[in-house]
Amino acid sequence: EVQLVESGGGLVQPGGSLRLSCAASGFTFSSYSMNWVRQAPGKGLEWVSYISNSISIIYYADSVKGRFTISRDNAKNSLYLQMNSLRDEDTAVYYCARYFGSGTYAFDIWGQGTMVTVSS
Amino acid sequence: QSALTQPPSVSGSPGQSVTISCTGTSSDVGSYNRVSWYQQPPGTAPKLMIYEVSNRPSGVPDRFSGSKSGNTASLTISGLQAEDEADYYCNSYTSSNTWVFGGGTKLTVL
Repeated sequence: EVQLVESGGGLVQPGGSLRLSCAASGFTFSSYSMNWVRQAPGKGLEWVSYISNSISIIYYADSVKGRFTISRDNAKNSLYLQMNSLRDEDTAVYYCARYFGSGTYAFDIWGQGTMVTVSS
Repeated sequence: QSALTQPPSVSGSPGQSVTISCTGTSSDVGSYNRVSWYQQPPGTAPKLMIYEVSNRPSGVPDRFSGSKSGNTASLTISGLQAEDEADYYCNSYTSSNTWVFGGGTKLTVL
């Protein structure tokens, strides 16, 4: 079964750091680009970051650029999001999502999400 | 990058058709056929329903269809069923090498 499982969420103070992980299974992780997408409580979806399968291309939303770092370890079938200088507005469920494939620009497999709460 | 514009809510009775619009700009929806749609029932992760404006992934019923004209994309659900009740989000790739979602539309099946 194709599956993505996020972990690492929790409560952190403003200005703090957190590292999210996403474990992939059921498909050849190294062949797929990956993304992080977040959803604030009661709000809509917001794309956060993209990383290509070869790690040669990385994109960020302006709202997190300079504070968040996306990375992956293809040997461990894992995707990561290092979040620094966290703000109240970063409070959200964070989903990892698989890039459907070349030319589709869509996300076909999603994890169940991990909750990040930034609060003092 | 501003969010794409969707109506906050739409509704329809079982068996009817509904259309959800998604308006962007010439830098996103209008520039590329890279529009996708996602269904999100309460408390669950999003599910891909349409990609590249009008293509359905395997397993998505053909009651779901997509189209685009200019800067506006649309999702049409025909033969409404109770199980279609959910939030729907459009998404587009942009000229800035980013992706932008719509604000979401809550579909109520009466």
